[in-house]
Amino acid sequence: GESVGLHLPTLSVQEGDNSIINCAYSNSASDYFIWYKQESGKGPQFIIDIRSNMDKRQGQRVTVLLNKTVKHLSLQIAATQPGDSAVYFCAESSRSGGGADGLTFGKGTHLIIQP
Amino acid sequence: DAGITQSPRHKVTETGTPVTLRCHQTENHRYMYWYRQDPGHGLRLIHYSYGVKDTDKGEVSDGYSVSRSKTEDFLLTLESATSSQTSVYFCAASLAGGRDTQYFGPGTRLTVL
Repeated sequence: GESVGLHLPTLSVQEGDNSIINCAYSNSASDYFIWYKQESGKGPQFIIDIRSNMDKRQGQRVTVLLNKTVKHLSLQIAATQPGDSAVYFCAESSRSGGGADGLTFGKGTHLIIQP
Repeated sequence: DAGITQSPRHKVTETGTPVTLRCHQTENHRYMYWYRQDPGHGLRLIHYSYGVKDTDKGEVSDGYSVSRSKTEDFLLTLESATSSQTSVYFCAASLAGGRDTQYFGPGTRLTVL
């Protein structure tokens, strides 16, 4: 029979290099975006967020870029470290999404750090 | 984070038995959520709560019920567990609802035999 597994996009980078993880969204009404990091066996951890009135936001070693024209979001991690190995996924929300349930999550990208 | 804990962290049960998962938060967040995470599907919303005794269905609510009698506790119940409910379950909490950051608990791995 056919096996079903976890087929996430994978990004492999050398330790010390910069990583760029991409996310495309389809809802042009989305106006709030979050990046999460999920390590194996743990819950998703908030990294950084951005609202649609901004194009760029920086945190500690991370930068999120938002291109509303092409509905694209990216997460840049500077000087990647072994502890950055995880699955990263984006989430989006829009006013049209209603109240409490307004976040839509992507399926994630697996970041692997090569020594 | 919102000081979120989940219990139990692991559970194995048999088909047809009732199961209750507990989520507890210490930061007085108004909104709480239950998700399941499965390979190839990402996080899918089961139920959410927007206040004590106020709950609503999410994307995959069939076979699940929830209760919230106190701000800090949100319970997820599988009335009669099935093998398709084998999954990792995450609880999340948010101060200001869907257009605000959701903070997640550590998860419960449930296996239904």
